[in-house]
Amino acid sequence: EAGVVQSPRYKIIEKKQPVAFWCNPISGHNTLYWYLQNLGQGPELLIRYENEEAVDDSQLPKDRFSAERLKGVDSTLKIQPAELGDSAVYLCASSLTGGETQYFGPGTRLLVL
Amino acid sequence: AQKVTQAQTEISVVEKEDVTLDCVYETRDTTYYLFWYKQPPSGELVFLIRRNSFDEQNEISGRYSWNFQKSTSSFNFTITASQVVDSAVYFCAYEEYGNKLVFGAGTILRVKS
Repeated sequence: EAGVVQSPRYKIIEKKQPVAFWCNPISGHNTLYWYLQNLGQGPELLIRYENEEAVDDSQLPKDRFSAERLKGVDSTLKIQPAELGDSAVYLCASSLTGGETQYFGPGTRLLVL
Repeated sequence: AQKVTQAQTEISVVEKEDVTLDCVYETRDTTYYLFWYKQPPSGELVFLIRRNSFDEQNEISGRYSWNFQKSTSSFNFTITASQVVDSAVYFCAYEEYGNKLVFGAGTILRVKS
């Protein structure tokens, strides 16, 4: 069974540019999560989806970050405009339903210059 | 708010040594889940174990074992006869209500041959 797929794996952009990350969860998993991991720290939840619905986006900086999960499968996380402090790893995870074990993808490493 | 503390920032051992990674958590909840994840240099978080707060039995899986003690709010992880491939960052996590994972800062484990 394929795991969580994320792309791109690495992204280098200049500040003020937009950037988007894509995630394809494990087949059949209804719940999808986006986490932010700063260097030397544990991941922190940005947003959680139950199917198409964002049920917890309290930690998402909505002035520059947006996310969508159309059709309840793939998801895209966008930053516009990017700032230097956004340099981090963006991890996507999925679980069968809310309350089940979360399985993580390899992450997208973003560097903002 | 719940909090997870991994006091050991970095541990170095020689191959075949046993090593224990500590995890202490704070909560007022009676029902919760605890997790350990491994993050190798590739960056992907690999699920190791999920433990229900009502199940205080220690668990062993090959060279891995976990000691859960509710009385001291600890969930420690031991690797027996460590190997170079065990080198990674290990995260302890607590699952809050709403399926949100709260991670500790992680412990870097370096196993030298």
